[in-house]
This record gives sequence, structure tokens and C-alpha cells, in this order.
Amino acid sequence: GENVEQHPSTLSVQEGDSAVIKCTYSDSASNYFPWYKQELGKGPQLIIDIRSNVGEKKDQRIAVTLNKTAKHFSLHITETQPEDSAVYFCAATYTSGTYKYIFGTGTRLKVLA
Amino acid sequence: DGGITQSPKYLFRKEGQNVTLSCEQNLNHDAMYWYRQDPGQGLRLIYYSQIVNDFQKGDIAEGYSVSREKKESFPLTVTSAQKNPTAFYLCASSMRTSPYEQYFGPGTRLTVT
Repeated sequence: GENVEQHPSTLSVQEGDSAVIKCTYSDSASNYFPWYKQELGKGPQLIIDIRSNVGEKKDQRIAVTLNKTAKHFSLHITETQPEDSAVYFCAATYTSGTYKYIFGTGTRLKVLA
Repeated sequence: DGGITQSPKYLFRKEGQNVTLSCEQNLNHDAMYWYRQDPGQGLRLIYYSQIVNDFQKGDIAEGYSVSREKKESFPLTVTSAQKNPTAFYLCASSMRTSPYEQYFGPGTRLTVT
């Protein structure tokens, strides 16, 4: 069945360094790829997303890239800060036209001051 | 403030009891979703509803039931038939015209002993 693999499961970086989280999806018909940030005990917060007709999208220190041929997409955080520490989830739509997501298993990011 | 509210934040029940989790949104969103989150795993879809008085099973609907009598409300009942009900439950919503961007509530942590 469809699945989304996310790596790494944990990531520690020094404050000011960059962090990269990668996801691979299996359904070639997936057309929307959001990224969520979840702080401890809270609901996930949508931080950036990308659609299948776009290769890259940036929002200040956060960027997402998509490689449709290889079926993978990545989250890039530059100039990391302690408040970036959280669990990050990627997701992909099941198939084109549906509202359902498949989520990755999450990456716990720790930014060391 | 517009948003999604879930209550209560923490819920404790004895095994064999049904329990209902509340989800309310004032975003005027048509679609609503329930997810389950277990430690170290991604979010898994329980039920979703694209319009009032209509809902569909997600990937793990067994042991759960929902209703959608009002646009703003999508309560989830965890029945005694659910074998492992202890989890973090998240409600989300999205616009029908822009169904891909799902916004999450703060979650309810259910503990069944």
C-alpha cells in the first residue's frame, strides 16, 4: 500500500547550522506535500507545503524541495534556533483529488544552544 | 479567535466504557478529520467528513464512531470495542475549496486503564 518514509528519526544540530529532513513517498499520483511542526503535548502546526507542479518553495528560513521523478521531498531549515526544536512530520496525499494524507513517522529535531 | 478546540485536554476512563471526544471549529471549514497518534508513529486517520451528515471511514475506524450533525462539530466516540484506546487524538479541518491544507486542534490525550 501507499506509505511515506521519513529520515532521520532524530536530528541534533548546533544553533545557527542547517537541518534537512527527507521523505520518500510511494504513490506517484500524490500531488500535495505538507510539513507540520509539533511541539510537546500540542497539535501539529502547518509550516510549509508544496504542490506537485512546483519544485521548490521558500518561506524565510524554511524551504521545501520536491523531486517528482525520484518521489522524494525535503524540508530545509537554515540558521536554526532553539525554538525550532520540535517533532516534524511530512505527509503526502493518498492520490490526486482526495483529502486524505499519509504521514511520515516524524523527526525529532534538537537545536543545541 | 478562529480555530479548532478539543476538549478535554486529558481524559481518563476505565476499560469497557465508551467515551466521547469533542471537536469544534469556527473556521467555517467544510471538512473535518480525526487522527490517532501513538508514540514514535505518524498520524493515522480514523474518520473524516467532507460535509454535514456525511462521513467516511479512514484507515483505523474499527472501534470508533462519529457524527456530523453541525458544520462546526465532529465528535468522536471511542467504544469499548477499540482494543487499544490509549492514545493522543487529534482533530483537524480544511476548506472544501482548498481541501489540502488541514489545520489541527490541540489534541486530547485519552488514557484507558
